[in-house]
Amino acid sequence: QVQLVQSGAEVKRPGASVKVSCKASGYTFTDYYIHWVRQAPGQGLEWMGWIYPNSGGTNYAQNFQGRVTMTRDTSISTAYMELSRLTSDDTAVYYCARRYCTGTSCHFDYWGQGALVTVSS
Amino acid sequence: NFMLTQPHSVSESPGKTVTISCTRSSGSIASNYVQWYQQRPGSSPTTVIYEDDQRPSGVPDRFSGSIDSSSNSASLTISGLKTEDEADYYCQSYDSGNVVFGGGTKLTVL
Repeated sequence: QVQLVQSGAEVKRPGASVKVSCKASGYTFTDYYIHWVRQAPGQGLEWMGWIYPNSGGTNYAQNFQGRVTMTRDTSISTAYMELSRLTSDDTAVYYCARRYCTGTSCHFDYWGQGALVTVSS
Repeated sequence: NFMLTQPHSVSESPGKTVTISCTRSSGSIASNYVQWYQQRPGSSPTTVIYEDDQRPSGVPDRFSGSIDSSSNSASLTISGLKTEDEADYYCQSYDSGNVVFGGGTKLTVL
């Protein structure tokens, strides 16, 4: 069965960086895009970008360009999202999600369990 | 760039029908498919509708989706409401390959 298992909760100081992992299993990792979505406490979903594990190609949301880096390690079927220059506004649950496409459209069919990142001095 | 606007909250009684709207700010709602995700408290989102009106396997047929070009909006309708339907619901579409989420609607079943 398809699973996306994320790394655990992190506490970071303002100005630091955080790297969240997302380990895929139950399917061919390189066949599906991985997207990252975050959710601040009590707030809605915010899209951050995607990585295509096959090529390593990425596309970042404008709000995060220059501060986010998405990478992957195909040998262990794991995607990573690193966010730098953290502020308290980056306190959120960070999700990875697999993009599944039919012949005509795409949606997120599997999500990780989320990783809480707390930014506090 | 466009935004997807949802009501902040809706409430209805068990057994009734509720509809949640998702209005696109610019461009045609029909230009890009709309998805709907359900997020129960403390859980990750799950898909309840994709491609405007398609249900993934395992989603009850009480859930249905539609789009209305006249109001430039998509709708999620849940009939025969159950207490387990109480959750946040998010619409989602695409803008030039980028993902756009609505702000979310809190559904209370009381």
